[in-house]
Amino acid sequence: KNEVEQSPQNLTAQEGEFITINCSYSVGISALHWLQQHPGGGIVSLFMLSSGKKKHGRLIATINIQEKHSSLHITASHPRDSAVYICAAAPQGGSEKLVFGKGTKLTVNP
Amino acid sequence: GAGVSQSPSNKVTEKGKDVELRCDPISGHTALYWYRQSLGQGLEFLIYFQGNSAPDKSGLPSDRFSAERTGGSVSTLTIQRTQQEDSAVYLCASSLVFVNTEAFFGQGTRLTVV
Repeated sequence: KNEVEQSPQNLTAQEGEFITINCSYSVGISALHWLQQHPGGGIVSLFMLSSGKKKHGRLIATINIQEKHSSLHITASHPRDSAVYICAAAPQGGSEKLVFGKGTKLTVNP
Repeated sequence: GAGVSQSPSNKVTEKGKDVELRCDPISGHTALYWYRQSLGQGLEFLIYFQGNSAPDKSGLPSDRFSAERTGGSVSTLTIQRTQQEDSAVYLCASSLVFVNTEAFFGQGTRLTVV
């Protein structure tokens, strides 16, 4: 079992819909990252959070440390949001190895 | 530079040849990471540098893989005697201090071993 699990694996939405991508992890973490990978392969860091909630434009990330769960929400989705979204856990204990989920492929249709 | 720069962006090599992949991190970032993404797979940690030293090499898949970093800046990932299973996108990331700060990723090098 992967230490970081994402759901769903694939998600298709219509433009304007509210999107939720989930990430559950089994390791103790010091931080959790949400990354976006576009079809060309480049990766952009969206959020890094260790508690609570962060918002950037139409993107919102939340984390519940007790439940070992994080969610990424996209409001008013747009075709340009189509990408693979990856969550990655930074384990406690000083390890510098991010543990990655397998990613959620989001397709937003116009 | 403004971001993490990797070169080449694409590399096709014959099985058995050696390849070198280069990463230029953001200026001032002391932490540098190499990851691999094989087709249809998630990202996989390879090695981490803090300054010029590599405290964690545990992700390197075999002794054909090595990496170095000089001057606390540029890093080179070398794969000797490449095999077809080495075909993947190799991604580099840097962060100011360590992984609990925001990481910035390069565009990756797509390696194809034929």
